Amino acid sequence: AQSVSQHNHHVILSEAASLELGCNYSYGGTVNLFWYVQYPGQHLQLLLKYFSGDPLVKGIKGFEAEFIKSKFSFNLRKPSVQWSDTAEYFCAARGAAGNKLTFGGGTRVLVKP
Amino acid sequence: GAVVSQHPSRVICKSGTSVKIECRSLDFQATTMFWYRQFPKQSLMLMATSNEGSKATYEQGVEKDKFLINHASLTLSTLTVTSAHPEDSSFYICSALGQEQFFGPGTRLTVL
Repeated sequence: AQSVSQHNHHVILSEAASLELGCNYSYGGTVNLFWYVQYPGQHLQLLLKYFSGDPLVKGIKGFEAEFIKSKFSFNLRKPSVQWSDTAEYFCAARGAAGNKLTFGGGTRVLVKP
Repeated sequence: GAVVSQHPSRVICKSGTSVKIECRSLDFQATTMFWYRQFPKQSLMLMATSNEGSKATYEQGVEKDKFLINHASLTLSTLTVTSAHPEDSSFYICSALGQEQFFGPGTRLTVL
């Protein structure tokens, strides 16, 4: 069965700290991977996506993610977070031939000023 | 980026009544829209895939007679929760498939 898991439910850190959120997936076949962010009171927004090519993907707002096929992972990183990065982050996967997203459980990130 | 709207943003209803939620893609046409349900502190669970001009495809465990989906045009899909009960209280989110999947702001349904 297709699944996406995120290791951390809650992360609390201070401004300027580095952030890494884990994501592992279980999918048969070629997979497309996504990270979405949901700021408080707002809708889900796409941070970045990986379809193929360079496994290090750069997204908006200084975020990046690395696809490691051997580890079935797609971890999200940001070298230096800001208070405005406080949000919930969702990893998602989709079979390359399909259009249905499977979401991970989400990680709530709180950045202390 | 593309915008997807939902209406209403919040609704409170009595048990046994039906509630309709609208999802609109405002600046693009979407042959495919998705309806998700998000429980507190949990992830989004796909309920159904809505295809314009055809019947929706429901995920396993989702009652199609309870959650009626109509995708009558390329910019509008509706979800009707029929005979709502308190356990249907949740956050319902739609998304529309354009160049990527764009999400609406969600609808908070509370059934008393």
